[in-house]
Amino acid sequence: SQTIHQWPATLVQPVGSPLSLECTVEGTSNPNLYWYRQAAGRGLQLLFYSVGIGQISSEVPQNLSASRPQDRQFILSSKKLLLSDSGFYLCAFSGGADNEQFFGPGTRLTVL
Amino acid sequence: AQSVSQHNHHVILSEAASLELGCNYSYGGTVNLFWYVQYPGQHLQLLLKYFSGDPLVKGIKGFEAEFIKSKFSFNLRKPSVQWSDTAEYFCAATPVDYKLSFGAGTTVTVRA
Repeated sequence: SQTIHQWPATLVQPVGSPLSLECTVEGTSNPNLYWYRQAAGRGLQLLFYSVGIGQISSEVPQNLSASRPQDRQFILSSKKLLLSDSGFYLCAFSGGADNEQFFGPGTRLTVL
Repeated sequence: AQSVSQHNHHVILSEAASLELGCNYSYGGTVNLFWYVQYPGQHLQLLLKYFSGDPLVKGIKGFEAEFIKSKFSFNLRKPSVQWSDTAEYFCAATPVDYKLSFGAGTTVTVRA
């Protein structure tokens, strides 16, 4: 069966520190992968998506970057965190013709 | 650019009441439509989806949604809610590419 994992579940980081959030998918090959940020009352904002290894599309200008070093691995990074990077980050994948997306458990990031 | 709007930010109702959550999208072409639900402390999960065929779609837990093309709407309904339906509900839409656009979400609180 298809599963998606994210870690860590929660993270507290100082301003200016680097960030690396990891997402892995099992049970499917060549998925489309997505990073979202969820803010209260604002729904889910798509940050990045990837249709293949090394292929990253950025949806909004920001302090974050994404990479896809392997088919089922998607990483969200930052070299220097800002206070405004605090939030809840969700990874998702899709692979079907109807583009149904399956979501991971999320990472709660707090930048102090 | 496609957008999805949800009519209500927060809905409060009693058990056994009927629920209808509004959703409108702005894309004019072929579109796939989804309702996702996020129960407290749980993953975002799919309630139901529409991509072709019967415009009245049945989902899990007694939910249904009706696609009305002329109104660009995909409203979610449940005839009789339960306390366990307390959650945040997200409408989403995608044309025939990889990206989902989410509404801002509606928080539903069901009082026992």
